[in-house]
Amino acid sequence: EPEVTQTPSHQVTQMGQEVILRCVPISNHLYFYWYRQILGQKVEFLVSFYNNEISEKSEIFDDQFSVERPDGSNFTLKIRSTKLEDSAMYFCASSKLGGPAEEKLFFGSGTQLSVL
Amino acid sequence: DQQVKQNSPSLSVQEGRISILNCDYTNSMFDYFLWYKKYPAEGPTFLISISSIKDKNEDGRFTVFLNKSAKHLSLHIVPSQPGDSAVYFCAATRDSSNGGATNKLIFGTGTLLAVQP
Repeated sequence: EPEVTQTPSHQVTQMGQEVILRCVPISNHLYFYWYRQILGQKVEFLVSFYNNEISEKSEIFDDQFSVERPDGSNFTLKIRSTKLEDSAMYFCASSKLGGPAEEKLFFGSGTQLSVL
Repeated sequence: DQQVKQNSPSLSVQEGRISILNCDYTNSMFDYFLWYKKYPAEGPTFLISISSIKDKNEDGRFTVFLNKSAKHLSLHIVPSQPGDSAVYFCAATRDSSNGGATNKLIFGTGTLLAVQP
């Protein structure tokens, strides 16, 4: 079964450093997402991306965050200057369609980001 | 922001019995509700969903019930199996303002289900 792959599985960085989290969505999917889960908290929506632009973003997704689809297969999340509170598990997801909402999201296994 | 709440952080059930996981929501504008299952070191996996126009959806051992007046939904697993042991997330979403649905999911905090052999 096709799957969303994320690299690296763990990323440790110093506060203030830039990090790039990478994802390869399922090949025939058109919609891409980033979610995150801070330890002990709920999974939170960050951003959705379609047709090379952001279609929706949450309040969490401020100017420190950006997303890019640099080629036909990768989807990246960049955090420009990491803060301690950015430490979380970051999940990439993709779907064939943007809706209806019953359209399944396929999630990757996540990248655990630790900001020291 | 507690729009979707799962008040039971954990649940333990004997193999073969029914597991009932509960979820409450506050936003009456939600149009779809979904359950995801998550094993350690893996991403959430879609399990089952229900539209707000229905009150029940069944898929094999999994049934989701929706009570709109109570703003409550539940996931029933019967019979429960040890392989069902995982964290179960309730999620909700609504149609976007331009009329299309959105995959912006609002998740609950999850319930850890342990099915004892």
